[in-house]
This record gives sequence, structure tokens and C-alpha cells, in this order.
Amino acid sequence: KQEVTQIPAALSVPEGENLVLNCSFTDSAIYNLQWFRQDPGKGLTSLLLIQSSQREQTSGRLNASLDKSSGRSTLYIAASQPGDSATYLCAVMGTSGTYKYIFGTGTRLKVLA
Amino acid sequence: GAGVSQTPSNKVTEKGKYVELRCDPISGHTALYWYRQSLGQGPEFLIYFQGTGAADDSGLPNDRFFAVRPEGSVSTLKIQRTERGDSAVYLCASSLGLPGGELFFGEGSRLTVL
Repeated sequence: KQEVTQIPAALSVPEGENLVLNCSFTDSAIYNLQWFRQDPGKGLTSLLLIQSSQREQTSGRLNASLDKSSGRSTLYIAASQPGDSATYLCAVMGTSGTYKYIFGTGTRLKVLA
Repeated sequence: GAGVSQTPSNKVTEKGKYVELRCDPISGHTALYWYRQSLGQGPEFLIYFQGTGAADDSGLPNDRFFAVRPEGSVSTLKIQRTERGDSAVYLCASSLGLPGGELFFGEGSRLTVL
């Protein structure tokens, strides 16, 4: 059974810092991995989608990497801003069974001005 | 529509009552997912539709929960004899339905059972 873990659970950094959020998964047989952002009381917004054949994806100040063999992904946020404050969630889609995504519990990020 | 739409955004009900939550996915998206999220937790998978059929309902917690998608578009999550433990945010998401498709979420329906 796939399990997804995210560390740290919470993170508070001063504005301008570069930071790394971690996601690990127990079953390396995945189709893809997706990173999401969730603001308080809102739904999830997709940030980056990495297919299993890819090593990384970039969008603006965000870079996500995937190491399938070790069951790990990292989300790198460059030059953090107060507007980046949110909960970041990763989710993996397995290759066995149906095409459902399994989510981690998220990292709650606070960027201080 | 432009995005995934969920109604109602907020529902307060009494223990034992019946509740329906509706999801209108992005036009053309054949895959539709229901998730449940409790405070401080990640979304928990409930059920996944491909077209009209439930491809995977392994996440439904018990037989009080049921979901339909009769025409392959709008879906309704139905909860019978609600319990206080059912209180959560119910999230709906859709995707194009191809393996590895990007998920797009609605804003969720917050259910409170008193």
C-alpha cells in the first residue's frame, strides 16, 4: 500500500530565503507525482506535475525533482515571498490498480516579511 | 465550465440526516475524483469515476456513503444517516482521464454534522 510522507510538517522562514520541501513515497512504481498548493479554506491548486520518466519540472521560482528509485521528490522554492505562505501537498499516482492519487499530509509554510 | 464547481460550499446538518454534495467537473474531463480532508490532514481518497462508472470505490468508509455520475459529467456524493465523524471538507477533482493526468480541484464542500 502506497504511503506518502512530507517533512517538515511546518516551516517558518524569513522572506528571500531559498527553501526545500520534501516528499517521500514507499512504492516506487508510480505514473507521476504532482505538487499542489492549498491556501486556508480553499481547494488545491496544481503547481507542478512530474511524469515518472522525468527528473524535474520548473515553473517560475519553483523547481520539483523526482528520484523514483529512492522514492523521493523535492520542491525547491527560490527567493521566497510572503505570498508563498500556504500548505504544500504532494500526491503520487501508482501504476497498479486504478489511477488514483495518494496524498501526503502537507508542509505548512509561513514566509515572514 | 472554466473550473471544477462544488455545491454547496457549506452544509450544516444534524446527526442522522441525509446529505448530497454536488460536483460539476471541467468540461471534457472524463475522470472525476472525490476526496475528504480533515483539519491538518492531506486529502483522503474516496472514489474515482472514469466516465459513468466507478473505477475505484475502495476509499468509501462504509455503506452510508455512495456516489453517482449518471451521465459522465456531474457527480453527486450521497451520505446517509450522517454522523459527527463525517464532518470534513469534501473535495472534488477532475482530469482528462489519461493515465498520469493533471488533477484540477474545486473549492470543496465543508460539511458539519451537529
